[in-house]
Amino acid sequence: DAGITQSPRYKITETGRQVTLMCHQTWSHSYMFWYRQDLGHGLRLIYYSAAADITDKGEVPDGYVVSRSKTENFPLTLESATRSQTSVYFCASSELTNTDTQYFGPGTRLTVL
Amino acid sequence: AQSVTQPDIHITVSEGASLELRCNYSYGATPYLFWYVQSPGQGLQLLLKYFSGDTLVQGIKGFEAEFKRSQSSFNLRKPSVHWSDAAEYFCAVGPGGGNKLTFGTGTQLKVEL
Repeated sequence: DAGITQSPRYKITETGRQVTLMCHQTWSHSYMFWYRQDLGHGLRLIYYSAAADITDKGEVPDGYVVSRSKTENFPLTLESATRSQTSVYFCASSELTNTDTQYFGPGTRLTVL
Repeated sequence: AQSVTQPDIHITVSEGASLELRCNYSYGATPYLFWYVQSPGQGLQLLLKYFSGDTLVQGIKGFEAEFKRSQSSFNLRKPSVHWSDAAEYFCAVGPGGGNKLTFGTGTQLKVEL
């Protein structure tokens, strides 16, 4: 089914472990985004990508790494998870122009113990 | 830097009553403005967006929003709320560099039957 998917939907991990959250979109959208959602903060941009092999930092990039070797995939890696990274993570994508809607995935709820 | 303020964290309305959710923005030029809705456990869905032209924008599910440049506002309205409208609503402004959007902290809507 076409759209934007995230996996896993739920993840529990321990402090210091590496975790990778996956994001896949079937529309061939140029732009992809990673947000985290925390109570009282709304959505904050972690990283974004304008195209394959082009990524840039958002508002809260520390502790995260991204890559985009293929247009359709945009994985987010927590290299050494911390409790402060417990959050709900959303991936989104949009087409080329800056007036285009961002389409969101269902989210990944990550708990770091 | 662009920013969005949603002054109301929680709003409760009775089913059938009218609704207005407030959104104020800060942006250096003519903004692009969006309203998204998030149902529990779901990703964000676009309700409506404003780029230019008519300042009253119609969206899905019977929602509308009015862009008021003089007040830097983009308030969301619905004449008669349904119980299924209970959700969290986010206002966003853009574009930032790289098609970035800046989101507000959200307004949680509760609908009393």
